[in-house]
Amino acid sequence: DTVLTQSPALAVSPGERVSISCRASEGVNSYMHWYQQKPGQQPKLLIYKASNLASGVPARFSGSGSGTDFTLTIDPVEADDTATYFCQQSWNDPTFGAGTKLELK
Amino acid sequence: QMQLQESGPGLVKPTQSLFLTCSVTGFSITSGYYWIWIRQSQGKHLEWMGYMTYSGETFYNPSLKSPISITRETSKNQFFLQLNSVTTEDTAMYYCATYRDYFDYWGQGVMVTVSS
Repeated sequence: DTVLTQSPALAVSPGERVSISCRASEGVNSYMHWYQQKPGQQPKLLIYKASNLASGVPARFSGSGSGTDFTLTIDPVEADDTATYFCQQSWNDPTFGAGTKLELK
Repeated sequence: QMQLQESGPGLVKPTQSLFLTCSVTGFSITSGYYWIWIRQSQGKHLEWMGYMTYSGETFYNPSLKSPISITRETSKNQFFLQLNSVTTEDTAMYYCATYRDYFDYWGQGVMVTVSS
């Protein structure tokens, strides 16, 4: 399986820029996708195929990367962005990262 | 707008079978997309279990310890997950979703606890 590694937690202040990283154990081309999950809710697609904004997602969210290193950026961060963010690859059988919990200071 | 809704028992005893239903509205499961089951353990780890294509082919995660089966009832626009010989490790939130490299439509999930 392709293992995706994310940092476990980040804390930022509202209005700042935050970058959440995801590293794949092998190259996944651009087949990396990002989700936001708030407590008690299902995951919500934010970015697909590395850099494409999903429908209805604010332009404050963006994605970049290819191969093994990918980044989800939120700029500027708002209070409502408190959530866990997961990356997921589909170059091989789908796998997810363990998630990065974003907290606001 | 497409919507998915999971249903099933909240509590299952070890060694029993688990049967979950995903009811889809707003889109025919035979018209497109792949239809997938994903579960999330209490540690928040997300794991795909298996999916069915719009034409009815099935693909299962080879890493699963328990055998599963995904079937569908096209007249009701539903697809199903059966997990046999469950153990406490199968305790999780189970989601159905659409799959086309990424998962864009999700149900709200159904919590399943395996306990005697």
